[in-house]
Amino acid sequence: QLQLQESGPGLVQSSETLSITCTVSGGSISSDGYFWGWIRQPPGKGLEWMGSVYYSGSAYYNPSLRSGIIIFVDTSKNLFSLKVSSVTAADTAVYYCARLPAKSYFYYMDVWGKGTTVTVSS
Amino acid sequence: ETVLTQSPGTLSLSPGERATLSCRASQSVSSSYLAWYQQKPGQAPRLLFYGASSRATGIPDRFSGSGSGTDFTLTITRLEPEDFAVYYCQQYGSSPITFGQGTRLEIK
Repeated sequence: QLQLQESGPGLVQSSETLSITCTVSGGSISSDGYFWGWIRQPPGKGLEWMGSVYYSGSAYYNPSLRSGIIIFVDTSKNLFSLKVSSVTAADTAVYYCARLPAKSYFYYMDVWGKGTTVTVSS
Repeated sequence: ETVLTQSPGTLSLSPGERATLSCRASQSVSSSYLAWYQQKPGQAPRLLFYGASSRATGIPDRFSGSGSGTDFTLTITRLEPEDFAVYYCQQYGSSPITFGQGTRLEIK
């Protein structure tokens, strides 16, 4: 059974770079027909899609978000990662990784990680 | 960007009752690319429906999804105690992927 597990720093200082990893187990990140995505949820608020990536490394980002977001894949380790530069308090959220079961950056998410909480401290 | 508006914001019902949740899009959702998720406190969202009405694996048949164009509905007949949660709709017919703000289904 496919499982996703996020790992992040918990606390990051304002203006620094946030890095979170999603490790995929029970399946290969290189499987054809799947994209992988990051979604975040600020405390007490709704869900926001950040971007999606294919195992080839090609990614698409939410144009409504500010620049400084990068999603990349490491097929040798079966994981994908999110980097957010110059974080502010607005980046405080639970970050989820998820699988998108389609040949498109824009799809629904059928498998989710449990999420990792990130707090930006000033 | 397609804005999704869910109503009501909070729905208070008793177990055994019927729940009807609405999701309205600011523009037509291409190919009914609309999904529904359930989220309980401290948990990740769980996929309920995709393609507006296709039930995800393991979802009980008391849940149903319907709609097209700009108006979509999630219906839960005979509410069970475990159904009380927050429900989100999501569109994936156009970029960017967007979610509704959620409907909280609470026990009356």
